[in-house]
Amino acid sequence: NAGVTQTPKFRILKIGQSMTLQCAQDMNHNYMYWYRQDPGMGLKLIYYSVGAGITDKGEVPNGYNVSRSTTEDFPLRLELAAPSQTSVYFCASSYTDRGYGYTFGSGTRLTVV
Amino acid sequence: DQQVKQNSPSLSVQEGRISILNCDYTNSMFDYFLWYKKYPAEGPTFLISISSIKDKNEDGRFTVFLNKSAKHLSLHIVPSQPGDSAVYFCAASDDSNYQLIWGAGTKLIIKP
Repeated sequence: NAGVTQTPKFRILKIGQSMTLQCAQDMNHNYMYWYRQDPGMGLKLIYYSVGAGITDKGEVPNGYNVSRSTTEDFPLRLELAAPSQTSVYFCASSYTDRGYGYTFGSGTRLTVV
Repeated sequence: DQQVKQNSPSLSVQEGRISILNCDYTNSMFDYFLWYKKYPAEGPTFLISISSIKDKNEDGRFTVFLNKSAKHLSLHIVPSQPGDSAVYFCAASDDSNYQLIWGAGTKLIIKP
């Protein structure tokens, strides 16, 4: 049982480049989330989804886009990468929306130079 | 404006002793509180939670205490073990939206 799988684990982007962070879960969870964690800070919610075809903005959505065409996959797209997007990105999924059932991926460390 | 604050970036505790991690919040609408544990190069994992209708919740060596009047919660680990060395995040939510609000984390170091 893989849980939540994130790829890639590390990536260096140049300013202005684009990329997609992949997230897949095999637990048939309806709820999925993308967070970023900056050094010395808590996790900030970027986007979330309550089911296939439904997505919504979190606290820090600017510069990102998401899609949810299937229950399993929730990719995060960065367009025109900026140094401010240097961070560690975590994808999570859950049965419920109250947080105690979150399963996190191992994260993607992104550096924009 | 940080709604959830963990004021101690790190904490060092002797193996076998009690570890106490603290968390303060400002939003009185929060009604559910959680602690997550994170090892390096891994995602956070759920540890224990408490609803605002309770003031204590226990799970083995881990106990969370909630003081609503002080807007304060704490996580007690007794006895502390080497495998408890990790970063601990406090998070909170209310029932109006899906968003968890996270503290910045406390790095717990268990000394042999």
